[in-house]
Amino acid sequence: KAGVTQTPRYLIKTRGQQVTLSCSPISGHRSVSWYQQTPGQGLQFLFEYFSETQRNKGNFPGRFSGRQFSNSRSEMNVSTLELGDSALYLCASSLGGGPLETQYFGPGTRLLVL
Amino acid sequence: QKEVEQNSGPLSVPEGAIASLNCTYSDRGSQSFFWYRQYSGKSPELIMSIYSNGDKEDGRFTAQLNKASQYVSLLIRDSQPSDSATYLCAPSGSARQLTFGSGTQLTVLP
Repeated sequence: KAGVTQTPRYLIKTRGQQVTLSCSPISGHRSVSWYQQTPGQGLQFLFEYFSETQRNKGNFPGRFSGRQFSNSRSEMNVSTLELGDSALYLCASSLGGGPLETQYFGPGTRLLVL
Repeated sequence: QKEVEQNSGPLSVPEGAIASLNCTYSDRGSQSFFWYRQYSGKSPELIMSIYSNGDKEDGRFTAQLNKASQYVSLLIRDSQPSDSATYLCAPSGSARQLTFGSGTQLTVLP
């Protein structure tokens, strides 16, 4: 079974631009969660989607948004990029997103904001 | 107080020794606990999950959970240089999201 895939793997943007990252979950998985990883803050939860609905959201500004499609693929968007948005963005999928379920991570998208 | 605290690193152990990684958490509603390993430049990969108090063994890895003390640990027996990585503790709270600790960097010296 193919794992979680994320595109693109690397991205360079400038301040003020916006960016869209994509995540395809493991086949059959309906829950997709997004995380931001930085050296200073570690791994932080952004949001979780299940059946095209955002079920949970972390403590990030409204510039961070996401959506999920009917095939469970998910995208996250960051508008008006800031230097501090430079990070590794990880998505993780699980079957139904229950608290006992394992989340499997994709390889991540490394974003550099100049 | 941080939601998830891990023993400060970096931690160095000689090859063949036991590495002990500790984690405390604040959310008493946490139902499941995950240990992920992350190699430099890579994404986290699951090592162990534990849901009930006590020990759970999987090969060279043993996870221990004490919900009353809000404590979870990971023991790595017969440590190998390939175990050198950052280990992340992640309780899953009632909101389903994973809350990660800052990680413990482990180096196994040949």
